[in-house]
Amino acid sequence: AQKITQTQPGMFVQEKEAVTLDCTYDTSDPSYGLFWYKQPSSGEMIFLIYQGSYDQQNATEGRYSLNFQKARKSANLVISASQLGDSAMYFCAMRGYNFNKFYFGSGTKLNVKP
Amino acid sequence: DTEVTQTPKHLVMGMTNKKSLKCEQHMGHRAMYWYKQKAKKPPELMFVYSYEKLSINESVPSRFSPECPNSSLLNLHLHALQPEDSALYLCASSQDDRNTEAFFGQGTRLTVV
Repeated sequence: AQKITQTQPGMFVQEKEAVTLDCTYDTSDPSYGLFWYKQPSSGEMIFLIYQGSYDQQNATEGRYSLNFQKARKSANLVISASQLGDSAMYFCAMRGYNFNKFYFGSGTKLNVKP
Repeated sequence: DTEVTQTPKHLVMGMTNKKSLKCEQHMGHRAMYWYKQKAKKPPELMFVYSYEKLSINESVPSRFSPECPNSSLLNLHLHALQPEDSALYLCASSQDDRNTEAFFGQGTRLTVV
């Protein structure tokens, strides 16, 4: 069975500072993909970044980077230079052997303070 | 075009009404999804269509009826809903590849009165 765990229900960060959102996962699939999504209050799920289980390097997309530690089964999202518009829910997700299923964590509500 | 378009954005319906939610994508994706999301919770998978065939039904009550008329369209027919069915309904699409992301629509905020 697949499981995604996000242990931080809510977090605060000062504008322009970096923040790390935690995600751990459990799977027996040899190959899988890890994803982070942002959901503002408007409701749309916005794809941020992807990491493949066989990728040697950590993924980066602009201000977003993924700290992937395969042995620890963690895939933490790092947001550098936080902006007020980063305030939103953030979901970690995984796609494995049954690749038509995306498994979501419970989410982290990030608040960026001016 | 990397958009998934959902209509309507908001819907209020009575428990005896019949309504439909619509979803459209033109990215050539062959997998399409319906998710239900309650406030402050993660999305819950309801249905998956793969190549226009229903491949996953997560034990959803029959008052929700999905339909995939063609590879670009996905509908969710609603009938005799309960107030607890009020939620954000999200449509998504993706390629059939575990290493690609799903694209989500903006959702339909459904209120059952």
